[in-house]
Amino acid sequence: EIVLTQSPATLSLSPGERATLSCRASQSVSSYLAWYQQKPGQAPRLLIYDASNRATGIPARFSGSGSGTDFTLTISSLEPEDFAVYYCQQRTDWPLTFGGGTKVEIK
Amino acid sequence: QVQLVESGGGVVQPGRSLRLSCAASEFTFSNYGMLWVRQAPGKGLEWVAVISNDGSKKYYADSVKGRFTISRDNSKNTLYLQMNSLRAEDTAVYYCATSTLPHDALDIWGQGTMVTVSS
Repeated sequence: EIVLTQSPATLSLSPGERATLSCRASQSVSSYLAWYQQKPGQAPRLLIYDASNRATGIPARFSGSGSGTDFTLTISSLEPEDFAVYYCQQRTDWPLTFGGGTKVEIK
Repeated sequence: QVQLVESGGGVVQPGRSLRLSCAASEFTFSNYGMLWVRQAPGKGLEWVAVISNDGSKKYYADSVKGRFTISRDNSKNTLYLQMNSLRAEDTAVYYCATSTLPHDALDIWGQGTMVTVSS
């Protein structure tokens, strides 16, 4: 099973600041990595697929990069609605696995 | 619009059974594999089971193998999860989801249904 480790667990930032979230895989997942945003009481929402492709309707301030084992989700300038939990996910092989999440909170 | 709607959650005693349903609308359900993903209270996301578009292939997480069964009825655009021998650790919100994108990036999710296993 491929283990995804997200860091940091919590990121405390102010609106307008840049957020950089990391996801590290225990073995290569090529570029087959996705990122999700989840707000309290809501289902996850797909932000990025195949490491760097924005999903439909996702603002340009969200960007993804990386390949192999190291990936980054960047939010260029935090908006109030961006404070949430973010998960990475791979499906290079079954089982499909998720990272433990990074909470982006208001400082 | 494209939608998945789960139902069937509730409170159930340990050892009992429950069946979840997920109704799909506004997309060609029979073209896509479907998944169940769960989230225990205050915890992260855990994949539970997946079924191919025609129902011929099914895979399960080790944590539910032998107890849960995923199935689908393409004539009714509905996905199911039969959960037997439920345990306290199965307590979670259960989401159905699917991917219309490459490499199982899950772009369509239901709103979730809560399952609580407690005596």
